[in-house]
Amino acid sequence: GDSVTQMEGPVTLSEEAFLTINCTYTATGYPSLFWYVQYPGEGLQLLLKATKADDKGSNKGFEATYRKETTSFHLEKGSVQVSDSAVYFCALSGRTGGFKTIFGAGTRLFVKA
Amino acid sequence: TAGITQAPTSQILAAGRSMTLRCTQDMRHNAMYWYRQDLGLGLRLIHYSNTAGTTGKGEVPDGYSVSRANTDDFPLTLASAVPSQTSVYFCASSDQDRGPGGELFFGEGSRLTVL
Repeated sequence: GDSVTQMEGPVTLSEEAFLTINCTYTATGYPSLFWYVQYPGEGLQLLLKATKADDKGSNKGFEATYRKETTSFHLEKGSVQVSDSAVYFCALSGRTGGFKTIFGAGTRLFVKA
Repeated sequence: TAGITQAPTSQILAAGRSMTLRCTQDMRHNAMYWYRQDLGLGLRLIHYSNTAGTTGKGEVPDGYSVSRANTDDFPLTLASAVPSQTSVYFCASSDQDRGPGGELFFGEGSRLTVL
């Protein structure tokens, strides 16, 4: 079945450092890919998404590119802030899963001032 | 705007007791979901409903039941709680029409501890 694998955390960075959180997926066909973010004490909210190969999703300085050839959707940000400290979830939604959303295990990010 | 409202926010429950977690949405979304979040496992789908009157099993349905009598409400019931059901439960909704790309909207979660 469909699945998502993302790098284990926690990831600890200093403010203004470059961020990469790796995400790879297994799915039949062309699923939609997502990054969700969960701030402390809150539910998840959509950060960005891409619905077809080579699409780039972007929001709040974060970017991720849908790479069909490597089945990846890595999250990047050029300069992180303390306020970016949160848990980040990679996810997919595809036809073989009945379009239900499948999540990775989550990666916790700590950003130090 | 309220979006998704879950209740209770937190609950401690004795093993063997029953419990219903409530979820209400005001976005008129057709699809609703219940996930549980456990450390190192991410979010796992318990049950879902694509439209009022229908429900389906997710990845981890055992020990849980749901109903969808109308568009707005999607309660999750634990008939006889066990300690392994200690978790944070999230209700979500989406405007999916059986196509990909639908964003999920989440409630703030219900933290359940079963002793």
